[in-house]
Amino acid sequence: DVKVTQSSRYLVKRTGEKVFLECVQDMDHENMFWYRQDPGLGLRLIYFSYDVKMKEKGDIPEGYSVSREKKERFSLILESASTNQTSMYLCASSQSGRSTDTQYFGPGTRLTVL
Amino acid sequence: GQQLNQSPQSMFIQEGEDVSMNCTSSSIFNTWLWYKQDPGEGPVLLIALYKAGELTSNGRLTAQFGITRKDSFLNISASIPSDVGIYFCAGQYNYGQNFVFGPGTRLSVLP
Repeated sequence: DVKVTQSSRYLVKRTGEKVFLECVQDMDHENMFWYRQDPGLGLRLIYFSYDVKMKEKGDIPEGYSVSREKKERFSLILESASTNQTSMYLCASSQSGRSTDTQYFGPGTRLTVL
Repeated sequence: GQQLNQSPQSMFIQEGEDVSMNCTSSSIFNTWLWYKQDPGEGPVLLIALYKAGELTSNGRLTAQFGITRKDSFLNISASIPSDVGIYFCAGQYNYGQNFVFGPGTRLSVLP
């Protein structure tokens, strides 16, 4: 079974702090994604990566950056956390370019910024 | 851009009843995925569909890839309390492209 793990289930940070959210997948997938999920707004794509050291902006990249130094690990960084970044953050991974693409999610990190 | 609509937004049903929900798109998709999300958890993949007209089952769940390729349907038979959650559809326009997600259908099961 595909497994996507996220470093924390719950996180509380203060405004202005630098925040790291880590995601690891064990299926050798090329593609990895970071979403945030807010009530009434659904899933919104922040950043994604199709390969090591590669990153692409999603729909709402402002205030975030990412790092993909190893294939299995994709990190989301909040350089200076703000209260409007309080949200559920979901990491996902998928295989690339096959005729049966499927995307798998991690358990989520609920981040609260005070 | 591509958008997905899900219907209904929410539903309340009695335990034991069957459930139907659907997902529609303005664009043709090559892949449809259905997920279930429990409160405070990440979405879990239920069923993946890759061919127009395809009908796939997973236990009491059955999903269909619409023949127009612009819609997909999910049915749950004989609902039980643990079916409670939010059901999301996701569509992929072409292989290798990012998935687009629907807003979800919230299911409540009354005992």
